[in-house]
Amino acid sequence: AQSVTQLGSHVSVSEGALVLLRCNYSSSVPPYLFWYVQYPNQGLQLLLKYTSAATLVKGINGFEAEFKKSETSFHLTKPSAHMSDAAEYFCAVSARGTYKYIFGTGTRLKVLA
Amino acid sequence: DTGVSQDPRHKITKRGQNVTFRCDPISEHNRLYWYRQTLGQGPEFLTYFQNEAQLEKSRLLSDRFSAERPKGSFSTLEIQRTEQGDSAMYLCASSPDSGTSGSSEQFFGPGTRLTVL
Repeated sequence: AQSVTQLGSHVSVSEGALVLLRCNYSSSVPPYLFWYVQYPNQGLQLLLKYTSAATLVKGINGFEAEFKKSETSFHLTKPSAHMSDAAEYFCAVSARGTYKYIFGTGTRLKVLA
Repeated sequence: DTGVSQDPRHKITKRGQNVTFRCDPISEHNRLYWYRQTLGQGPEFLTYFQNEAQLEKSRLLSDRFSAERPKGSFSTLEIQRTEQGDSAMYLCASSPDSGTSGSSEQFFGPGTRLTVL
């Protein structure tokens, strides 16, 4: 069985500050991990994914995430927040042998001017 | 490539009515997924198709729900005898038939928002 926990349903940061969105997973088999972003009235867009290659994964729009097996974490970071980063972010887990994603409950990011 | 499209974008219906949603995946994608997203929650998996074959269904997909992908291209999701608890965003996604199972990126459509009065 797999599950995802996203700590913090709402996160606020100042423009230019570090963005840190937390994701912890549970999986009985080696996981594949994903971060998606959802803007209002738009579909989910993939930011980055971990598929057992490099543990530090770089994605679009300056985001990156590090897979830490010992901590069962896959936190999303960005060094400097932009106003355009305001959106809802979802962490998801999948695994070999399955095709469906299990999503977390999401974190809404607010960027303050 | 215009991405995954869904129709309608919004649907308001009365309790007890039947509704049908359509999803057109990216043309070369063999895999198609339906998810449901309620307010404040992440998307929840409903069902998955490989070409025209429905290979997995969630327990969330009660007998009032049925999904089809008759020619392995577009898909429809029908809800019969709608209930207020069916109010949600219904998301469709597709992915190519490549790579290790589970590792492929899923491309999501904009969703169909259902409101049951």
